[in-house]
Amino acid sequence: DTGVSQNPRHKITKRGQNVTFRCDPISEHNRLYWYRQTLGQGPEFLTYFQNEAQLEKSRLLSDRFSAERPKGSFSTLEIQRTEQGDSAMYLCASSSRLAALYEQYFGPGTRLTVT
Amino acid sequence: QQQVKQSPQSLIVQKGGISIINCAYENTAFDYFPWYQQFPGKGPALLIAIRPDVSEKKEGRFTISFNKSAKQFSLHIMDSQPGDSATYFCALGRGTASKLTFGTGTRLQVTL
Repeated sequence: DTGVSQNPRHKITKRGQNVTFRCDPISEHNRLYWYRQTLGQGPEFLTYFQNEAQLEKSRLLSDRFSAERPKGSFSTLEIQRTEQGDSAMYLCASSSRLAALYEQYFGPGTRLTVT
Repeated sequence: QQQVKQSPQSLIVQKGGISIINCAYENTAFDYFPWYQQFPGKGPALLIAIRPDVSEKKEGRFTISFNKSAKQFSLHIMDSQPGDSATYFCALGRGTASKLTFGTGTRLQVTL
């Protein structure tokens, strides 16, 4: 399967713990996006990478959140000191290096539950 | 401030009927208008997308109609099938590397 993959698919953690999610984009896609989706809502943008550079961060991304894409391939999203309000589906998407192509392809998401 | 308004919130259509979902926006700087389909527990899947230089785009049973002057676009699903039952999101993009701004979603149920 050559689509976007995310791990883990589900994560249950206790409030105050740190969690890390991984996203592997479609091969040769140089753009990678993180979104967050809560129940009954559309995805909300968190941050965006072009290759290894983090080019944009949403105000939704508090200081407890950090994302990296060290070699321009996979990316990680870490949440420190989790809160119950962090419970959501965390989605990763990637798009092509070709400038003419806008399409973003999403992975299956990581469902986070903070108890 | 909600940048895109999507309606209806939910929709029930009989098998074989036409499903229509609408989105309206304000900022004319947006230049990319995709529709995504999402099944429970899955990530959104790109269905079809349009740029503002065309008024309509059709792919199979799915058609986007775009009204630039009214700042509205809609998704039409022809010959709706039970397998189309899902949540549909419109989105807005600006530029090739732009983040997407999503609508609030429409839950479609296609009955037999």
